[in-house]
Amino acid sequence: QPVLTQSSSASASLGSSVKLTCTLSSEYSNYNIAWHQQQPGKAPRYLMKVENIGLYKRGSGVPDRFSGSRSGADRYLTISNLQSEDEADYYCETWESYAVFGGGTKLTVL
Amino acid sequence: QVQLVESGGGVVQPGGSLRLSCTTSGFTFTTHALHWVRQAPGKGLEWVAFIRHDGKNQWYAESVRGRFTISRDKATQTLYLEMSSLRTEDTAIYYCAKKPVGGPTDYWGQGTLVSVSS
Repeated sequence: QPVLTQSSSASASLGSSVKLTCTLSSEYSNYNIAWHQQQPGKAPRYLMKVENIGLYKRGSGVPDRFSGSRSGADRYLTISNLQSEDEADYYCETWESYAVFGGGTKLTVL
Repeated sequence: QVQLVESGGGVVQPGGSLRLSCTTSGFTFTTHALHWVRQAPGKGLEWVAFIRHDGKNQWYAESVRGRFTISRDKATQTLYLEMSSLRTEDTAIYYCAKKPVGGPTDYWGQGTLVSVSS
């Protein structure tokens, strides 16, 4: 099954941009992924899917400050104009069969 | 609107059993796969079990295979997780989530806490 690798932590300043990475294991490098946000003390929330051709589609109500992209086996989540409420854990998921999650990245907004 | 509401969590002794339920509404039940994902205290998300939209196949994480059983009831639009032979390492918040056929997890419940302790 695929393995999704994420950095454990990231930080960026209020109002700036940050790019989070999810790397698919090599034999699954063409898989689609999804990004989820989990704010402290809350359930996860679906943000978007990023397809293997680089197209992304945000979920309902997700601000357009959130965007997705890809390069090879890497899938990215870019958050622009960082807000304090963006401080959260971010998980990637691939769903070709059931569901596999990455280990998550804890984003700190400075 | 879409709703997924878990219930049935609680405190149970090691070796005990528990049944979680997830009542759903606001979407077409028969066109969505459903799964359980758990989160141990301070840890990341761990996928637990998955059932197809038609209920015909189920998959389990290695850590729970043979101890947990996922099922779904079309009439009541409810998802279940029967847990037996519980271990302390099963302590976690358990989330149910839905996944349209051919798509990613797109809605999550609020979670129910299972605590396995003597």
